[in-house]
Amino acid sequence: SAVISQKPSRDICQRGTSLTIQCQVDSQVTMMFWYRQQPGQSLTLIATANQGSEATYESGFVIDKFPISRPNLTFSTLTVSNLSPEDSSIYLCSVEARPPSYEQYFGPGTRLTVT
Amino acid sequence: QQQVKQSPQSLIVQKGGIPIINCAYENTAFDYFPWYQQFPGKGPALLIAIRPDVSEKKEGRFTISFNKSAKQFSLHIMDSQPGDSATYFCAASSPGNTPLVFGKGTRLSVIA
Repeated sequence: SAVISQKPSRDICQRGTSLTIQCQVDSQVTMMFWYRQQPGQSLTLIATANQGSEATYESGFVIDKFPISRPNLTFSTLTVSNLSPEDSSIYLCSVEARPPSYEQYFGPGTRLTVT
Repeated sequence: QQQVKQSPQSLIVQKGGIPIINCAYENTAFDYFPWYQQFPGKGPALLIAIRPDVSEKKEGRFTISFNKSAKQFSLHIMDSQPGDSATYFCAASSPGNTPLVFGKGTRLSVIA
């Protein structure tokens, strides 16, 4: 398994500002994913971040709103830009284990509240 | 289009009972089917997973049953305990490092 940490664990931000979420993994991984989970809901994939390439965004999510960095095999950041109350959610980092496992593990999440 | 349909949305069982959560999928390319357990304020934790080459997998009190022809899989929790009260998500993915597709979740309450 992989141990994943996220910073911050929670934050309250004002409308129009941005929040950058950090994800650190205790081992080198190729695939990292960012999800959003609204209260009481399932997980929605925002983007896939591979080291050395541009992130791949899912329908409904754009780079200008959710820029992602993946500078190395153990770290990634997700920025949520130009915040609005609709962005209030839990943001989760996830990593995929190396073959042959391909198991996917999640971080503890970052709870964002936009006022 | 929801690719993985999960039911029921919520479930209440007595301690010692066997809650069963069901998932159905449409994409025949899916070849990996994990279940996640999520407690409030925590990230989802991988519970157990199965691939289509087997029809059943057990890990402790948790069992996955898989029916490839029906494109369905289910989670059974034996001798359920109040500590099992959580939200459970099924998921599926295709070969080739594709991301997981999640069901909508089942909120399980095990009452003493």
